[in-house]
Amino acid sequence: DAGITQSPRYKITETGRQVTLMCHQTWSHSYMFWYRQDLGHGLRLIYYSAAADITDKGEVPDGYVVSRSKTENFPLTLESATRSQTSVYFCASSDAQDYGYTFGSGTRLTVV
Amino acid sequence: DAKTTQPTSMDCAEGRAANLPCNHSTISGNEYVYWYRQIHSQGPQYIIHGLKNNETNEMASLIITEDRKSSTLILPHATLRDTAVYYCIVRASNAGNNRKLIWGLGTSLAVNP
Repeated sequence: DAGITQSPRYKITETGRQVTLMCHQTWSHSYMFWYRQDLGHGLRLIYYSAAADITDKGEVPDGYVVSRSKTENFPLTLESATRSQTSVYFCASSDAQDYGYTFGSGTRLTVV
Repeated sequence: DAKTTQPTSMDCAEGRAANLPCNHSTISGNEYVYWYRQIHSQGPQYIIHGLKNNETNEMASLIITEDRKSSTLILPHATLRDTAVYYCIVRASNAGNNRKLIWGLGTSLAVNP
């Protein structure tokens, strides 16, 4: 049971292109999160969502857009990709009882 | 949210207990201690969390000092598959819409045969 799936697993894109990373969870968890992970920085929160149509910025939101029209989906869009957005992106979800986050397998994005 | 301090790396022999310390001297009364781990190239995995009492589940035990300023994650019989980066995080669970976790760099645990 995948539970939370991210796609694509790997992506190479060019500078200036728009790219969307997908995140889908099957548990109807209220909370969803997007993190990026870079060497020397650990996991940094980009955006999070408390419910459908409720989103908020994290530590590093610039250059990213999110939406959450349905509870199960939380796509992350890079409007105009830059090389500094080369990273591994993780999506996570959490239920209202907050028994920890469940993470996806990640998307490794390279911007050339 | 309170910050945490963890050793950068640790070693453990396979089959022995791995004891991973975490210092959170500025923890507030309503903040929980969470532990996650991340095996290479995978997403982080939730292990355990607690407020003031010691906790145990199928993966690990969490020992929190009486003053709550530090805690220890115990893997009772470490295996090679426990080699990972372990993160200790403190956060208020009743944080309303703010469910953010702030991650440090964790402890890289190497379990040796």
